[in-house]
Amino acid sequence: GESVGLHLPTLSVQEGDNSIINCAYSNSASDYFIWYKQESGKGPQFIIDIRSNMDKRQGQRVTVLLNKTVKHLSLQIAATQPGDSAVYFCAEPVASGTYKYIFGTGTRLKVLA
Amino acid sequence: DVKVTQSSRYLVKRTGEKVFLECVQDMDHENMFWYRQDPGLGLRLIYFSYDVKMKEKGDIPEGYSVSREKKERFSLILESASTNQTSMYLCASSRGTPGGNEQFFGPGTRLTVL
Repeated sequence: GESVGLHLPTLSVQEGDNSIINCAYSNSASDYFIWYKQESGKGPQFIIDIRSNMDKRQGQRVTVLLNKTVKHLSLQIAATQPGDSAVYFCAEPVASGTYKYIFGTGTRLKVLA
Repeated sequence: DVKVTQSSRYLVKRTGEKVFLECVQDMDHENMFWYRQDPGLGLRLIYFSYDVKMKEKGDIPEGYSVSREKKERFSLILESASTNQTSMYLCASSRGTPGGNEQFFGPGTRLTVL
């Protein structure tokens, strides 16, 4: 498959362990954030989102944490599986109420068997 | 199941050719977007459309144009392809309510310009 990003930071995690992927965002007024997963050769896929009035949101095996004080997002994946291997990136609106988003460059997650 | 489809997964064109990339969504979304994705640069917005026949330039519109004649279809046009337009092109769509709407992406078109 294609390489989405040749120079991405990489996180290597043992299968079954928990993964934590971080993202720093730029706009302190951003009110909505999304995490996407992109597998090799595929388009980005929505994982989970969070609004700025929340600190934490949980999905199935994933949790997103939002720290507005330091403008930081993290994505936690519990019991990481081989199918979790992908590039993960966060997105925030360019401005409040806009349709347009700023996308991070991403982190490559490698799951080791 | 929501779906965004792109006309080609892989495309090889020659410098100077006119290139059409087609995108279709079946979710009745108002907004549609074209991005390119290059290593280390993330997704960069080329153009987006918030309604039929409406369009707005993104961050890197030079060398590209778009067409939205029908709500479900958004086309990206490279009037005269150049080698620096070799990239992965991603189409996306979202609902028309501003703020808080995820974008649904197609599988991408890997374009190589020789």
